[in-house]
Amino acid sequence: AQSVTQPDIHITVSEGASLELRCNYSYGATPYLFWYVQSPGQGLQLLLKYFSGDTLVQGIKGFEAEFKRSQSSFNLRKPSVHWSDAAEYFCAVGGRTYKYIFGTGTRLKVLA
Amino acid sequence: DAGVIQSPRHEVTEMGQEVTLRCKPISGHDYLFWYRQTMMRGLELLIYFNNNVPIDDSGMPEDRFSAKMPNASFSTLKIQPSEPRDSAVYFCASSFHQTGSNTGELFFGEGSRLTVL
Repeated sequence: AQSVTQPDIHITVSEGASLELRCNYSYGATPYLFWYVQSPGQGLQLLLKYFSGDTLVQGIKGFEAEFKRSQSSFNLRKPSVHWSDAAEYFCAVGGRTYKYIFGTGTRLKVLA
Repeated sequence: DAGVIQSPRHEVTEMGQEVTLRCKPISGHDYLFWYRQTMMRGLELLIYFNNNVPIDDSGMPEDRFSAKMPNASFSTLKIQPSEPRDSAVYFCASSFHQTGSNTGELFFGEGSRLTVL
């Protein structure tokens, strides 16, 4: 069965600190993997995606993610968090169809 | 360019009433999706269309839910009759599918927050 697990419901970091958000997936074929961000009252915005090739992908706003097939993971990272990064982050998995499965999200709080 | 436009942004209604949510996708996009977001269940895909044709409606929870896409620039999600457990944020998203490949990115609207009393 296809699934996405984001084990951390809430994460709090200080501004300027590094960030890693975890995502583990279960998918029967080669996955397409995504990270989206949602600010309060807004829709989701794509941060980055992985389809194939280089397993380290760069996204917008200074985010990157690394696909590790052996660990079924696609963790999101940022070396230095800004207060404006406070939001909810969703990992998603899918394939050649558009039936994407979203994780339950990780809410990020940034301390000044 | 305008993004995905949803209306209404907020809807409060009483149990048993009909609710219609509307969506205008990004011009030129050939896929349209309806998602529902709740605290308990997260983000769930309800139905999606390709070139105005429903492709997969397996996520539609009950017969009370229906969705239509009469043309490339408009879709509706209707709930009749509505129940308190339908309270959620409903998102519409659209995407452009290049020939032979899934480009992957969904463009989301700002959502319609539905409260059924």
